[in-house]
Amino acid sequence: GAVVSQHPSRVICKSGTSVKIECRSLDFQATTMFWYRQFPKQSLMLMATSNEGSKATYEQGVEKDKFLINHASLTLSTLTVTSAHPEDSSFYICSASWAQTNEQFFGPGTRLTVL
Amino acid sequence: AQKVTQAQTEISVVEKEDVTLDCVYETRDTTYYLFWYKQPPSGELVFLIRRNSFDEQNEISGRYSWNFQKSTSSFNFTITASQVVDSAVYFCALSRNYGQNFVFGPGTRLSVLP
Repeated sequence: GAVVSQHPSRVICKSGTSVKIECRSLDFQATTMFWYRQFPKQSLMLMATSNEGSKATYEQGVEKDKFLINHASLTLSTLTVTSAHPEDSSFYICSASWAQTNEQFFGPGTRLTVL
Repeated sequence: AQKVTQAQTEISVVEKEDVTLDCVYETRDTTYYLFWYKQPPSGELVFLIRRNSFDEQNEISGRYSWNFQKSTSSFNFTITASQVVDSAVYFCALSRNYGQNFVFGPGTRLSVLP
């Protein structure tokens, strides 16, 4: 079956530092990847949509200069949280859309804690 | 605009009871997809079912069943003979099209007590 991985699974960083989260489709090519954010006891909210080789499309209210998304290949998208602050602490989940069928598969998530 | 409502924030049942999780959606699209996901404490989303708007047949998979009623824009999920391992947060989600982003409901936290 199609597998999406995320790395790291957990990260703790100091306020003001930058953190990079990777999302990989392991056994399929993904033309589109989505990044979601989930605060504790809340639902998943779409942050941005990234297509391979082009700039990401951000949802309203999401700062594109703070959450840098790079989708350099058909199997890898990265989300960099720049100058992280405690309010950025959240669970970040990516999903990848299989190029052949458009079916989406979710990664296991990355739990970010900013101290 | 698309919207998913899950009116039940939290539900507690005793093991072996049946429980139904409600999901009501809003969309102007004639073609759309509905999903249910389970999110255990680990956080990883577990896919349960996908339904497209043209398939109103109800589905049963083991102890799980789904009732899709287009007339009331509902896609309810029933767990029969619940077990402790069913304890999790369950999300109903809507997608405009295959490959498009999901709009998630707020989730229902189910606790199954022994």
